Amino acid sequence: QTVVTQEPSFSVSPGGTVTLTCGLTSGSVSTSYYPSWYQQTPGQAPRTLIYSTNTRSSGVPDRFSGSIVGNKAALTITGAQADDESDYYCVLYMGSGIYVFGTGTKVTVL
Amino acid sequence: EVQLVQSGAEVKKPGESLRISCKGSGYTFSSFWIAWVRQMPGKGLEWMGIIYPYDSDTRYNPSFQGQVTISADKSIRTAYLQWSSLKASDTAIYYCARPPNTSSARGGMDVWGQGTTVTVSS
Repeated sequence: QTVVTQEPSFSVSPGGTVTLTCGLTSGSVSTSYYPSWYQQTPGQAPRTLIYSTNTRSSGVPDRFSGSIVGNKAALTITGAQADDESDYYCVLYMGSGIYVFGTGTKVTVL
Repeated sequence: EVQLVQSGAEVKKPGESLRISCKGSGYTFSSFWIAWVRQMPGKGLEWMGIIYPYDSDTRYNPSFQGQVTISADKSIRTAYLQWSSLKASDTAIYYCARPPNTSSARGGMDVWGQGTTVTVSS
């Protein structure tokens, strides 16, 4: 069974930079997995930040960026702000219309 | 404006049936796949399945195959998620979401519905 891994938690200082990753327990993540990233705060629907590896969704500030780093997908937040404190999820496309979500990363800004 | 608007919260008893909906607007509904995502209380997001309203081609997460049915009526721009016999473990928030590109299931999800809370309790 495919498991998509994310760091359980990360802490970043206001104004700092943090890179979250999204990997596979077996194999490497490439652009062929069309990695995408979502931000979710308690009680709210997910908000799309990045799709297809590095395309920012409409209205998303450019301090959020997506890439492939080594064998994982990555979401980098540059110049972290207090309202970036959220849960972040990645999802990978496995082919044939099938997706698998990552386990999620809780980001604290302090 | 592209929008997905979901039906309201539901409270049901175990064994009851249920269908929730997701209505698209602001785009050509039949040309974009629609996915369903579950979030159990205090837990992460789980991808359930996806449908292409144009021809009702449907793909399921094996974990949900046989447990739910995904359907769509392109004439009224609406996708559905239904259960024939609910269990307490179906208590969750259910989101619909749409990939970014016409006719392709790839790319992730770009547009989300507001979510439908389903509570199953005796």
